[in-house]
Amino acid sequence: DAGVIQSPRHEVTEMGQEVTLRCKPISGHNSLFWYRQTMMRGLELLIYFNNNVPIDDSGMPEDRFSAKMPNASFSTLKIQPSEPRDSAVYFCASIYGDSSYNEQFFGPGTRLTVL
Amino acid sequence: GNSVTQMEGPVTLSEEAFLTINCTYTATGYPSLFWYVQYPGEGLQLLLKATKADDKGSNKGFEATYRKETTSFHLEKGSVQVSDSAVYFCALIGQGAQKLVFGQGTRLTINP
Repeated sequence: DAGVIQSPRHEVTEMGQEVTLRCKPISGHNSLFWYRQTMMRGLELLIYFNNNVPIDDSGMPEDRFSAKMPNASFSTLKIQPSEPRDSAVYFCASIYGDSSYNEQFFGPGTRLTVL
Repeated sequence: GNSVTQMEGPVTLSEEAFLTINCTYTATGYPSLFWYVQYPGEGLQLLLKATKADDKGSNKGFEATYRKETTSFHLEKGSVQVSDSAVYFCALIGQGAQKLVFGQGTRLTINP
């Protein structure tokens, strides 16, 4: 399997623009997680889906952020409008079954820079 | 709420040195504990895990023992290599939960 696939790997945009990050989880995995990593705040869980349904979005910073999972093989994280403080590395991870026992597999991340 | 505290980095060692990265946690019940590793430019990878008290997780020469009495899960390796240079994250999942709670990460650099 190719692992978790994220695109783009790097995104540079200007403040106010819309940004869409994409994730393809590992085939057969039933949960998907979006994380944000910054030097100041470390790794933060933004939202996670189970069987394509959003379960917990309490980590989404504000209404400018939205996430969708229209099917089992694709998810998007959208920021509109983007701000410089959104600059970070965004990771997608997927898992089959129970996170207490099984490994969450992480994608390579999207490095977002908002100027 | 649940939380994880790791020793602050960065940590710099010479090759073949002994490594310890401390990790303590706060959680109710019986969480599962993990160490993840992030190599430069990559996502996180699971290094080892332990799901109940006194379990020892091990992988690639690294070990960590789930100590409920001290709420700790310290990472150790007897002889580090340059290729071990990475950022190491301690994490937990609360009992019955799906969300990983990460420590702040410890950057490890091994010099030849």
